[in-house]
Amino acid sequence: DSGVTQTPKHLITATGQRVTLRCSPRSGDLSVYWYQQSLDQGLQFLIQYYNGEERAKGNILERFSAQQFPDLHSELNLSSLELGDSALYFCASSSLQGDAFFGQGTRLTVV
Amino acid sequence: AQKVTQAQTEISVVEKEDVTLDCVYETRDTTYYLFWYKQPPSGELVFLIRRNSFDEQNEISGRYSWNFQKSTSSFNFTITASQVVDSAVYFCALSEPIYNAGNMLTFGGGTRLMVKP
Repeated sequence: DSGVTQTPKHLITATGQRVTLRCSPRSGDLSVYWYQQSLDQGLQFLIQYYNGEERAKGNILERFSAQQFPDLHSELNLSSLELGDSALYFCASSSLQGDAFFGQGTRLTVV
Repeated sequence: AQKVTQAQTEISVVEKEDVTLDCVYETRDTTYYLFWYKQPPSGELVFLIRRNSFDEQNEISGRYSWNFQKSTSSFNFTITASQVVDSAVYFCALSEPIYNAGNMLTFGGGTRLMVKP
């Protein structure tokens, strides 16, 4: 168990819909990262938050947004979903020492 | 820009064979971290190791060992006496410097290891 909790584990939704993925980092970790794993793009960094503030942005679509709350949990919002958004979405957290631990992922299927 | 290359897309071995997974990286940073993760069929990403760029000492953990060579920008992973439970996709990753409290990972494409009984 990595200590990073992601919910839900599976999500099936229709095109055009909006979903929210949730992540709780390991106790004491201030940084939260979101990654997308798809068959054609591999594992790609989406966005990072550190202690509530956005710190870095990767290949994140404008239809996607995220935030980190005062209790350090984070949510990734995906809207106007398309078939191509079907993927495994991972959350990771890290300490200042540099270790990066991942949650179990949320498998999103857009139909 | 950072880049990680895992040239071996798929490797198949018979149980008890040793296997080495290759990882080559590119970065302009002088300080960075290298990682290996295991993704079993169940899908989670399991942390295996983190190596600092300034520490080239090789590491052994049970049947796992890692060879870091800065001169060739490689961070190879060897499994000794492979077992069926080692079957998974293995990812090598590179991170930016930590000074911005960031640890954004750039992943290689992964190597699928199949260990047959």
